[in-house]
Amino acid sequence: ETGVTQTPRHLVMGMTNKKSLKCEQHLGHNAMYWYKQSAKKPLELMFVYNFKEQTENNSVPSRFSPECPNSSHLFLHLHTLQPEDSALYLCASSQVSVGHQPQHFGDGTRLSIL
Amino acid sequence: AQSVTQLDSHVSVSEGTPVLLRCNYSSSYSPSLFWYVQHPNKGLQLLLKYTSAATLVKGINGFEAEFKKSETSFHLTKPSAHMSDAAEYFCVVSDMSNNNDMRFGAGTRLTVKP
Repeated sequence: ETGVTQTPRHLVMGMTNKKSLKCEQHLGHNAMYWYKQSAKKPLELMFVYNFKEQTENNSVPSRFSPECPNSSHLFLHLHTLQPEDSALYLCASSQVSVGHQPQHFGDGTRLSIL
Repeated sequence: AQSVTQLDSHVSVSEGTPVLLRCNYSSSYSPSLFWYVQHPNKGLQLLLKYTSAATLVKGINGFEAEFKKSETSFHLTKPSAHMSDAAEYFCVVSDMSNNNDMRFGAGTRLTVKP
């Protein structure tokens, strides 16, 4: 049990579908993050939320839409994705979004775009 | 902006022999440095962190790392490898620049032979 739970673990969708990834943390943290992990590439930070407010969007295409209704839950809404969006999507949380605070990761959602 | 280079994409050792995973960083400020491990189909787990305290940092599972400012290095070591250590290892740097974001290295895959 990592304290950060992601669902679903695997998702296969067509390019015209709409789906959502869910992340929940049970650690009492105030910052949450979405990362994209592609083969042969370093981890890419997508979004940062601090106390439910989005504090960072790293030039992510609009077909990815995050939502943070409270400090414990984070969603990533997906629509009209492209094949290159196939990757492992990792959610993380930390006490606050300060660099020396370690982040705790979920096990990820493996996304495959047909 | 900060950056991190993991010098080896793949390291192979025999069970019971020492492990050395190399990491060099670049930072204009006092950095925080981390090592994470990722087992197959799992998220990233924090092994250890350096945040300007003792330069020799001990982590979980017998791993340790030494911060060497003069060499801008933060190599990860373990005296004796176990089969269960086989995984992907990520060196991470964070500092005041770039919104305190964590910058991940490309990863080093550790293989442990019986």
